[in-house]
Parts: sequence; C-alpha cells; structure tokens
Amino acid sequence: AQSVTQLGSHVSVSEGALVLLRCNYSSSVPPYLFWYVQYPNQGLQLLLKYTSAATLVKGINGFEAEFKKSETSFHLTKPSAHMSDAAEYFCAVVYGGSQGNLIFGKGTKLSVKP
Amino acid sequence: GAVVSQHPSRVICKSGTSVKIECRSLDFQATTMFWYRQFPKQSLMLMATSNEGSKATYEQGVEKDKFLINHASLTLSTLTVTSAHPEDSSFYICSAISGRSDYGYTFGSGTRLTVV
Repeated sequence: AQSVTQLGSHVSVSEGALVLLRCNYSSSVPPYLFWYVQYPNQGLQLLLKYTSAATLVKGINGFEAEFKKSETSFHLTKPSAHMSDAAEYFCAVVYGGSQGNLIFGKGTKLSVKP
Repeated sequence: GAVVSQHPSRVICKSGTSVKIECRSLDFQATTMFWYRQFPKQSLMLMATSNEGSKATYEQGVEKDKFLINHASLTLSTLTVTSAHPEDSSFYICSAISGRSDYGYTFGSGTRLTVV
C-alpha cells in the first residue's frame, strides 16, 4: 500500500538551531508531496509542495524541502528555528493525479527550546 | 488565496443527538471535498470524499449511516454526526480542492466535537 513515513514523532531543537524533519514515501512513481503545519486546535496550513518541478522547494516561514528520488525522501528543513515554529508537522502525498486523496504521515511534533 | 471556512469550531452535544458541521469554500468552487478525523496526538484519517452532486465515497470502516455527508453545491459540504456517542468525540477537519490542477488542497480550521 502507498504510504508516507515520518521518522520521529517528536523532535526538539534549541532556538536558532537547524530544524530537520524527515519524510519518506513509498512508491516507484514519484508522487506529489506536501508539508503542512498544524497549531493546536487548528486546521492545516500548507508550508510547501512538490509537484514535479524543481526538486528543492521553498516554502513559507523559511522552510524548504528537497525531493530526492533515489532516497524516496522529502525532508523538511529550516536553518534557524524560532519559538513560533513549535507545532505539529505533517508530510503528505498524493497519488493518482491532482484529484487524488491526500495520505498523511503520522506527524512530527516540533518543540523549540529557548 | 483559497479559503475554506469550517463551522462550528467547537461544539458540545449530548449523547444521542445529531451535530452538523459545515465546510464552505469562500472564494473558489470546490469540486471535491474531503472529511478527516483526527484523534489526539495522531494524524488525520480520511473519512470520506465528496463530489458535488453525487454520493460521498467512504473509507473502509467509516459508517456512512452515522456520518452523513452532503455536498449539495460547489461551495458547501456538510458532515452530520448522527446519534452521537462519546467515542465520536474528536477533531474533524474538512479540505477542499478546486477544479484547477494546481494540487491546491485548502483546509478548514477544524471542529472540536465533544459528546457528553
């Protein structure tokens, strides 16, 4: 079955440190990939998406992700964490075209220490 | 940008009653809407997919008679939790996409349902 895996349910970094949230997908055909952020009791906000254009995707709030087909990965990074980055992050994939269902990873909670 | 409004944001109801949650696309026509359920500290689980003017497609294990979905127009989908029980307490989120192929999924802000 098609799936997406997020390694690490909880990541803790210090303010100003590098943020790295991992996401791997399972498919022989590159899917469309997304990263979303969720703050408590809120919906999801799109950070960035990969849709078979440039492999390095820049998103909002200083986040970026690189699509690596050889590693079937789409890890999310940010050079310098800010306290406001503390939230839940979800990697998601779409298979079967633009009208397909989003399949979510289990999420990674990011904590930022002062 | 595309905006999806979900209402109510929070609702408390008694066991056995029904609750309706609305999901509206404010500035675009949503040919397809999705309903998700999210348990505490867990990911989003797709419940059903609705297309305007047709019956919703439910995921395996989701009771269609309990979770009634209506997508009567291109801007409105509703989820009705019928005969609610405490185990239905959860966070429900809708998502909508337009007919454009720009892979734009827009999410509502979610509804926290508590059944007492």
